[in-house]
Amino acid sequence: DVKVTQSSRYLVKRTGEKVFLECVQDMDHENMFWYRQDPGLGLRLIYFSYDVKMKEKGDIPEGYSVSREKKERFSLILESASTNQTSMYLCASSFQGRIKNIQYFGAGTRLSVL
Amino acid sequence: DQQVKQNSPSLSVQEGRISILNCDYTNSMFDYFLWYKKYPAEGPTFLISISSIKDKNEDGRFTVFLNKSAKHLSLHIVPSQPGDSAVYFCAATTGTASKLTFGTGTRLQVTL
Repeated sequence: DVKVTQSSRYLVKRTGEKVFLECVQDMDHENMFWYRQDPGLGLRLIYFSYDVKMKEKGDIPEGYSVSREKKERFSLILESASTNQTSMYLCASSFQGRIKNIQYFGAGTRLSVL
Repeated sequence: DQQVKQNSPSLSVQEGRISILNCDYTNSMFDYFLWYKKYPAEGPTFLISISSIKDKNEDGRFTVFLNKSAKHLSLHIVPSQPGDSAVYFCAATTGTASKLTFGTGTRLQVTL
């Protein structure tokens, strides 16, 4: 079974703190993604990576950065957390270049910024 | 610009009846569509998909229908069970592109 593991289920941070969200997958997937889920807005793509050290902006990259130093690990960084970044954050991974393009998700990290 | 839309935020269905969840899209380049199911405090899990070369795909109690001319797809669950209560997201992509575009989700509640 594919396993995507997010390091924390719940996080509480203060405004202005630097926040790291970690994600690890064990399926040797080339692609990794970070989304946030908010009520009424669905899943919105923040950043994705299709290879080590490669990254592309998604639909809402402002206020976020990412790091992919190893194939299995993709980190989301909030440089200076703000209250509007309170959300559920979901990491996903997938193979590249397949017609049946299924993404596999982690359990999510619920981040509260106070 | 919301390219994938789920216009019903919520749906309530009695156990044993059919649940029909709808999804509309605007980008005619989309050629592969997926449905995901999400329970609270869990990540979305893949449910069923359909390629644009088909108009129907079935997997047990779940059937997805695609109407390309109307740019509309629907997920039918028959019979609905209480364990089907979750948020359902439709998603779309083009060719072998890695990115998925998700809808806003529909919360299904199956009542006894």
